[in-house]
Amino acid sequence: DAGVIQSPRHEVTEMGQEVTLRCKPISGHNSLFWYRQTMMRGLELLIYFNNNVPIDDSGMPEDRFSAKMPNASFSTLKIQPSEPRDSAVYFCASSLTTGGNEQFFGPGTRLTVL
Amino acid sequence: QKEVEQNSGPLSVPEGAIASLNCTYSDRGSQSFFWYRQYSGKSPELIMFIYSNGDKEDGRFTAQLNKASQYVSLLIRDSQPSDSATYLCAVKEPGGYQKVTFGTGTKLQVIP
Repeated sequence: DAGVIQSPRHEVTEMGQEVTLRCKPISGHNSLFWYRQTMMRGLELLIYFNNNVPIDDSGMPEDRFSAKMPNASFSTLKIQPSEPRDSAVYFCASSLTTGGNEQFFGPGTRLTVL
Repeated sequence: QKEVEQNSGPLSVPEGAIASLNCTYSDRGSQSFFWYRQYSGKSPELIMFIYSNGDKEDGRFTAQLNKASQYVSLLIRDSQPSDSATYLCAVKEPGGYQKVTFGTGTKLQVIP
């Protein structure tokens, strides 16, 4: 298995632009998580899905952030409009609801908003 | 607000020594606990999980859990320079879903 796939790996954009991050979970996994990591705040859960349904989006910072999971093999995290304080590494992770509960992380997208 | 607390470090140990990493959590109902390792510029990867009070050993790694004290630790024996990384403690919330709360991590430096 290729593991969790994220794209792009790096994104540099200007303030006010729309940013879309993409994630393909491991085939067969039914839970998907979006995290944001910064030096100051560590790894923060933004939103997670179970069987393509958003379960908890309480970590989404504000209305500028939105996430979708149209099917079991694809999810997006969108920021519109982007701001410099959104600069961070965004990770997608997937897991199985049953079993050992291990979350498998993708390589991350490093976002820089100028 | 559920919290997971870790000392940010850095924790410096000489090669061959035992590294002890500690974590406390606030939700007494938590039942599953995880240690992830994150190398600089990389994504977190699971190295240990523990569900029951006591010790769990896997090679050079030992996870220790004390639910009464709401405390979980990770011991790394015979530390190697390749163990130098940030170690994240994660606590799963009670219930059927997989949501976990991560600590901010402890940076470990193993000095050759």
